[in-house]
Amino acid sequence: AQKVTQAQTEISVVEKEDVTLDCVYETRDTTYYLFWYKQPPSGELVFLIRRNSFDEQNEISGRYSWNFQKSTSSFNFTITASQVVDSAVYFCALSDPQGGNTPLVFGKGTRLSVIA
Amino acid sequence: SAVISQKPSRDICQRGTSLTIQCQVDSQVTMMFWYRQQPGQSLTLIATANQGSEATYESGFVIDKFPISRPNLTFSTLTVSNMSPEDSSIYLCSVTRGSGGNEQFFGPGTRLTVL
Repeated sequence: AQKVTQAQTEISVVEKEDVTLDCVYETRDTTYYLFWYKQPPSGELVFLIRRNSFDEQNEISGRYSWNFQKSTSSFNFTITASQVVDSAVYFCALSDPQGGNTPLVFGKGTRLSVIA
Repeated sequence: SAVISQKPSRDICQRGTSLTIQCQVDSQVTMMFWYRQQPGQSLTLIATANQGSEATYESGFVIDKFPISRPNLTFSTLTVSNMSPEDSSIYLCSVTRGSGGNEQFFGPGTRLTVL
């Protein structure tokens, strides 16, 4: 069975600090996708990234970066120079792409608070 | 990306009543998914709705409690029946899109409070 573990329940940082959110996953599939979503207080889920299991290259998008390591089954998310607007709950998720129409398995989420 | 709308955005309901949540997508999709997010919790899949067939429910969710309709490729409804305070949650619909795998998009959610 698939499982996603986000061990950090809550993190609090001061603005401009870097912060890394951990995500560890379990799956028997050789092909899968990993995701990160942001859920601000308003409640909507904002898509951040999708990563194919065959693509282990790290990715950077502005202040966001992702470190995918298959050897440790981890897909960690780093925010550089954090800002108050980054305060949200962040979810890591996993899917098995059976024809591209499968639901996601979510971690429990990490609540990030950035203090000015 | 996909544009997904949900109605209502929020509601406060009395115990024992039912609420139907609508999900509209801006283009045709094969599968639609309904998730529940209880307060302070993660998202849990309720069911998968495929147009033209019965929805497939996850363990712990039953059709009598959460009937789903999928009349066409752009629309679905989820009904929360005989509500109790434990049903207070955010309910989100979701669709997948993209070649070769999942690009999964979520609606804005329906925030339900049951008194």
